[in-house]
Parts: sequence; structure tokens; C-alpha cells
Amino acid sequence: NAGVTQTPKFRVLKTGQSMTLLCAQDMNHEYMYWYRQDPGMGLRLIHYSVGEGTTAKGEVPDGYNVSRLKKQNFLLGLESAAPSQTSVYFCASRTGGVDTQYFGPGTRLTVL
Amino acid sequence: GENVEQHPSTLSVQEGDSAVIKCTYSDSASNYFPWYKQELGKRPQLIIDIRSNVGEKKDQRIAVTLNKTAKHFSLHITETQPEDSAVYFCAASRGGGGTSYGKLTFGQGTILTVHP
Repeated sequence: NAGVTQTPKFRVLKTGQSMTLLCAQDMNHEYMYWYRQDPGMGLRLIHYSVGEGTTAKGEVPDGYNVSRLKKQNFLLGLESAAPSQTSVYFCASRTGGVDTQYFGPGTRLTVL
Repeated sequence: GENVEQHPSTLSVQEGDSAVIKCTYSDSASNYFPWYKQELGKRPQLIIDIRSNVGEKKDQRIAVTLNKTAKHFSLHITETQPEDSAVYFCAASRGGGGTSYGKLTFGQGTILTVHP
């Protein structure tokens, strides 16, 4: 039981490049979330999903897209990376009826 | 939407002292208040949480108190140890039911340093 995993752990992009971050969970959780963490700002919700095939915008969705084609996977895409998207990205998941969110190990992204 | 303010941003204590971190929230419908601990380079990990129908909850050296009327909640760590050094985040949510979908709004974080 690996819990929540994220791929990759680190990535450096140039402005304008695209990439996809993968979050996977093996706990059969319905809900999945993508957050970004910046110094002094806590964690902010980018997008979330309440089940397979569903996605919704969070607090800071601009510049990101998501997909949840399989229940266990939640993908975060950056179509044209900008330096302002330099951050640490965390994925989290939870099951229905329980509020506790379990976090992945994070992806550190640098956009030059 | 919800807004969570957390103070102080940094806190330095001597080993064995107590540490208190405070958070205020704006949405009176919030009913779930978790606290996360994040060590350097690691993921946030839940250490304790409280619901709005409870005023206080304890787990060994940590406790959380909630004042619904004033819309603030606090984390108390007693007999601090160097391994308590980390960043602590509070958060608030309307809970998993309804259309809130359990979305968490986080405070800005508190860097706690416990000196031996």
C-alpha cells in the first residue's frame, strides 16, 4: 500500500514548455486535490476532483488543466509554463465520509 | 470564500516550554479544522483535527481548542522537543458533505523552532 505517490519528484522547465504531473493513489479514494505551496502562503487549491471523470476549479486554477480518467490517477498539466508557476506541488486524496486528506510527497517545479 | 489567518509566522521556544499557534477563519459554515505538520522537504502530515461540535481535543502533548463564536482555533504543544521543530499549518473546511467537497483553506504556516 503505497498511499499517495507523485511523479516526478523534481523538474526544471523553460518558459513556454509544457509538462504533466501525475498523482496516483491506491486507497480507492473518491476525492483528489492538487495544491501548490509557495513560501509564506501556505497551500492553495488549484483543482480538485470528486470522482472519476469529474474535475473542478479551486482557488488558483489559471494556467493549469487537470484530468481524472481513472479513479486512482489525477493529472495536472501546464500547457505553457511561466516563472510564476515555480512552486512545490502537492496532491492529496480522501475517501467520502472522512474529512482527512492524505498528501503525496510533492513535486518541486522550477520554471526558468 | 473562506479566509484563514495564522499567527505567529515564526515561533522559537526552549525545549520543554509550551508553544501556541493561533488561527482565525472567516466562514461561519466551516466545521472541520485540521492541523498539519511539515518537516523540511517532506509532505504535510495530519497531527490533530477538531470538528465544530467539540471545543477541545487532546492527543498526548498536543491539543487543539476551538471557539466557534470568535471563529478562532489554536494548537497547543506542551513539553516541546527538538523533533517538534517544523512548519505547522492550520486549515478550515465545510467538511466533506454537500457542495464543499472537503476543500481545505490553509493558513500561511508557522515555523516552530525548538532549541535544545
